[in-house]
Amino acid sequence: QKEVEQDPGPLSVPEGAIVSLNCTYSNSAFQYFMWYRQYSRKGPELLMYTYSSGNKEDGRFTAQVDKSSKYISLFIRDSQPSDSATYLCAIHTGGFKTIFGAGTRLFVKA
Amino acid sequence: DSGVTQTPKHLITATGQRVTLRCSPRSGDLSVYWYQQSLDQGLQFLIQYYNGEERAKGNILERFSAQQFPDLHSELNLSSLELGDSALYFCASSVFGGESDTQYFGPGTRLTVL
Repeated sequence: QKEVEQDPGPLSVPEGAIVSLNCTYSNSAFQYFMWYRQYSRKGPELLMYTYSSGNKEDGRFTAQVDKSSKYISLFIRDSQPSDSATYLCAIHTGGFKTIFGAGTRLFVKA
Repeated sequence: DSGVTQTPKHLITATGQRVTLRCSPRSGDLSVYWYQQSLDQGLQFLIQYYNGEERAKGNILERFSAQQFPDLHSELNLSSLELGDSALYFCASSVFGGESDTQYFGPGTRLTVL
């Protein structure tokens, strides 16, 4: 079993839709959870960072961690064509290592 | 622009060759990370340095080596290159390299091995 699992998509939605992106992880000891956005031919950039459980909101983006289910989510409200990118979940595993999900390719159609 | 620079942007070479990728971290960042991104493996952590010392090692092959210099720039050396080494190589930097540190990624070096 991989430490982090993420559906690679692609996911195609109309403009204005609510997007839900998800990852599952294997180790209940993990505490630091992140979402990165990667545009084509660019490096990943940090979108959201969550410690332990709960929700965190930043504008149209909400990150959610459910430690009981070992499930992390990123919600994008009022999605825009400029949100079209690959979204990677990432987890600090301890020992200064970060593991990334495979990334979900999102297309928002105008 | 993250402030992390990587050179070269593109590199095309042949199997069996050796290449060096270079990374300059953001001003003030002491820690540097190297990642490999390929279509089938996703983004894989290779190695991390903090202030010139190796701090963590991931899935880095023995044919690959890295170092961080006193001016904090870093180099990733790839030798005896194979077709499967073709990938995007990203460098990232952070202030202290701790778990709660934000990593800022460079634009990457695209390596093609023919």
